[in-house]
Parts: sequence; structure tokens; C-alpha cells
Amino acid sequence: KAGVTQTPRYLIKTRGQQVTLSCSPISGHRSVSWYQQTPGQGLQFLFEYFSETQRNKGNFPGRFSGRQFSNSRSEMNVSTLELGDSALYLCASRRESEKLFFGSGTQLSVL
Amino acid sequence: QKEVEQNSGPLSVPEGAIASLNCTYSDRGSQSFFWYRQYSGKSPELIMFIYSNGDKEDGRFTAQLNKASQYVSLLIRDSQPSDSATYLCAVTTSNTGNQFYFGTGTSLTVIP
Repeated sequence: KAGVTQTPRYLIKTRGQQVTLSCSPISGHRSVSWYQQTPGQGLQFLFEYFSETQRNKGNFPGRFSGRQFSNSRSEMNVSTLELGDSALYLCASRRESEKLFFGSGTQLSVL
Repeated sequence: QKEVEQNSGPLSVPEGAIASLNCTYSDRGSQSFFWYRQYSGKSPELIMFIYSNGDKEDGRFTAQLNKASQYVSLLIRDSQPSDSATYLCAVTTSNTGNQFYFGTGTSLTVIP
């Protein structure tokens, strides 16, 4: 069974640009969550989608947005990038309310 | 107040010893408890989960849950250098849609 797939693996952007990250969950998993991980802050919850609806949202500015498609694949978008957005972005999927499984992440560098 | 707290470490133990990692949580309504291992440069990997008070053993790993005291711990017996990683504690609560709350992690180094 394939795991959670995230693309791209690495991204380099400049300030002011926008970026879109993609996540394909494990087959049968309808929940997709996004996290930001930085050395100083640990894992910070961005949002969770379930059946194309945002179910939970963390404390991030509106520049961070996401969506989920009918096949459960999800995308996360960050607009007007700032230097502080440099981080590892992790996607995780699960069945209804069960264990969370992570993808390999997208390492975003903002220059 | 942070929902989940862990000592950041680093925690160092000699090879073959028992490593003890601790985690406390603030929400008494928390229902499910998880331990993830994260190697440097990699994503978190689920290694243990526990739902009921008491101990749960899986190979060299034992998770211990005490809901009255609001703590959960992870014991690693016969620690190996390959166990060197950051260990993340996570809890979920039903009143927030079973959202996962993660601690900041404890860095463990097993010294050969």
C-alpha cells in the first residue's frame, strides 16, 4: 500500500512569490492535515481537510490556504512568501479519527 | 499553556540502557496518545499508540499512560544507536475533532 506522497520534495522561492504544495493521501484515507516544522517551533498545525471540507484550522495568517479534492488529494498554497516561511511542510493522512501517517515533506526555502 | 509538553533534551543514554521519555498534557478530555520517532531530515514515523491507562508493550518499546496524572511515557529497552532520534508525543481530544496536538519533541542520543 503506497504511503503519503508529497511533491515537490524541495522548493526554492523568493520573497513575495507564491507556492503550491501537493499531497496524495494513503488510499482510503479521507482526512489530510498539513503541518509546518521549523527547528525552533516544532510541528505547527496548519489545517485539516476531511471530505473536501476544512475541519480544523491552526493559527496561521490567511496567506496560508488549502483545499481538498474529491479524490482526497490536497494542496496547500502560501501567497506572498516571507523569509520566515522557510520550513519543512508535512502532510499527513488518516482514516476518520485514527492514527496519523506522514509524507516525506516538502522543504521550502525562501530567499 | 501548551497542550502537550516534553523535555527537549538532549537525553543521552549508553547503548543497552533503558531510555525514558516523558510527556504531559493539559486537556483531561484527551483520549488517544501517540509516540512518533523522527530521524534528522526525515518525517515523523508512528511507533506506538495507547488509548487506555496502563502499559502497552511492542518489542523493545513500552508506552505507559496515566490519565489521572495526565502523563504518558515511552520506555526504550536495550537502547541502540539506531534509536537516536527526536521523539514526538501527540494527543488527540474528541472536542476538537480529534485534532492532533504535538509536543516539541525530545532528542535522544544513544552512545555506543
